[in-house]
Amino acid sequence: GAVVSQHPSRVICKSGTSVKIECRSLDFQATTMFWYRQFPKQSLMLMATSNEGSKATYEQGVEKDKFLINHASLTLSTLTVTSAHPEDSSFYICSAGQGSSGYTFGSGTRLTVV
Amino acid sequence: DAKTTQPNSMESNEEEPVHLPCNHSTISGTDYIHWYRQLPSQGPEYVIHGLTSNVNNRMASLAIAEDRKSSTLILHRATLRDAAVYYCILRSGGATNKLIFGTGTLLAVQP
Repeated sequence: GAVVSQHPSRVICKSGTSVKIECRSLDFQATTMFWYRQFPKQSLMLMATSNEGSKATYEQGVEKDKFLINHASLTLSTLTVTSAHPEDSSFYICSAGQGSSGYTFGSGTRLTVV
Repeated sequence: DAKTTQPNSMESNEEEPVHLPCNHSTISGTDYIHWYRQLPSQGPEYVIHGLTSNVNNRMASLAIAEDRKSSTLILHRATLRDAAVYYCILRSGGATNKLIFGTGTLLAVQP
């Protein structure tokens, strides 16, 4: 079945630094990937849609200059949290899909900003 | 995006069937009904999806009402590993259409 690999699974960074999270589709090509954020005991919130070869589409209220998305190939999308602050600490999850079938999600990245 | 309504939580006993309901009265003709589940500290996992007819796979069954305004996810024999948050989501066809998650149903399975 379709596999989406997300890396790293956990990261701790200092306030003010940037962190890059990678999302790879291992056995299929994904022209579109999605990035979510999840705070404790809450549901997933869609942040943006990553489009291969073009700009990402951000959901309302998500700062595009803070959450940089790059989708340079059909199998890789990256999310960079720039100038991270403690309030950016969260669980970040990516996903990709094929046709009208179900989406496959990465295992998530736990970001802690200290 | 069409909205879904699910109970906040449900309980089940191990090895018994579980019926998880979902209401989606504003569903459109092109919306697929998707179910995902999420175990703690993991990404969501695809369970099943359907459009009009009932669907079965190795994980679960999906029963869709004739008017498509509601559906039920059926776990035939719950195990402790089925304890998770279950999300019912409507999605238009195509690989580029996003999934918008609601609050889901937290399923607890008692031994």
